[in-house]
Amino acid sequence: AQSVTQLDSHVSVSEGTPVLLRCNYSSSYSPSLFWYVQHPNKGLQLLLKYTSAATLVKGINGFEAEFKKSETSFHLTKPSAHMSDAAEYFCVVSEPSGTYNYIFGTGTRLKVLA
Amino acid sequence: GAVVSQHPSWVICKSGTSVKIECRSLDFQATTMFWYRQFPKQSLMLMATSNEGSKATYEQGVEKDKFLINHASLTLSTLTVTSAHPEDSSFYICSARSGQGRGTEAFFGQGTRLTVV
Repeated sequence: AQSVTQLDSHVSVSEGTPVLLRCNYSSSYSPSLFWYVQHPNKGLQLLLKYTSAATLVKGINGFEAEFKKSETSFHLTKPSAHMSDAAEYFCVVSEPSGTYNYIFGTGTRLKVLA
Repeated sequence: GAVVSQHPSWVICKSGTSVKIECRSLDFQATTMFWYRQFPKQSLMLMATSNEGSKATYEQGVEKDKFLINHASLTLSTLTVTSAHPEDSSFYICSARSGQGRGTEAFFGQGTRLTVV
């Protein structure tokens, strides 16, 4: 069965410093992986996705993630945090069966300090 | 990216009444729509999956008679919370996909905050 683990429920960084949000997955197949961001009382916005092409995926707003099969990881990074990056981030794996339903991680709340 | 519009963004209703939430894909045809429930500071919990023209598939533990889902067209799905009670208060989010391939991304509505008083 597919599963995804977000290792940190909360991450705090200072503005201008790097961001690292960790995600590990479990899959018997070659997975599709996504990162979504959710601002308070809003829906989810896709940041980036991995679907078996390049292992380093670049997304919107300066975010990128690297798929590492050997480590079963898909960590999200950004070189320099902005105040507007403060939000909830979800790592998602798409299971390769049926309708490829999403399996969500528990989320990581990013706080950016001035 | 594609746009999914969810309406209303928030609603307050009295206990015992029913509330309908709409989810529309504005610029693509959604073969599959998903309804999620999100409790405060928690992840999204899938409630049901619906394909246009067929009955929704509900996740275990979700009452199909209480949460009525209709996916009558390729651009519209509705969730009706029947006989709402305070414990149904939550944030409900829909998402839509145009295909079923492994890499097909889902687009999310902005969510509906339901408060039952």
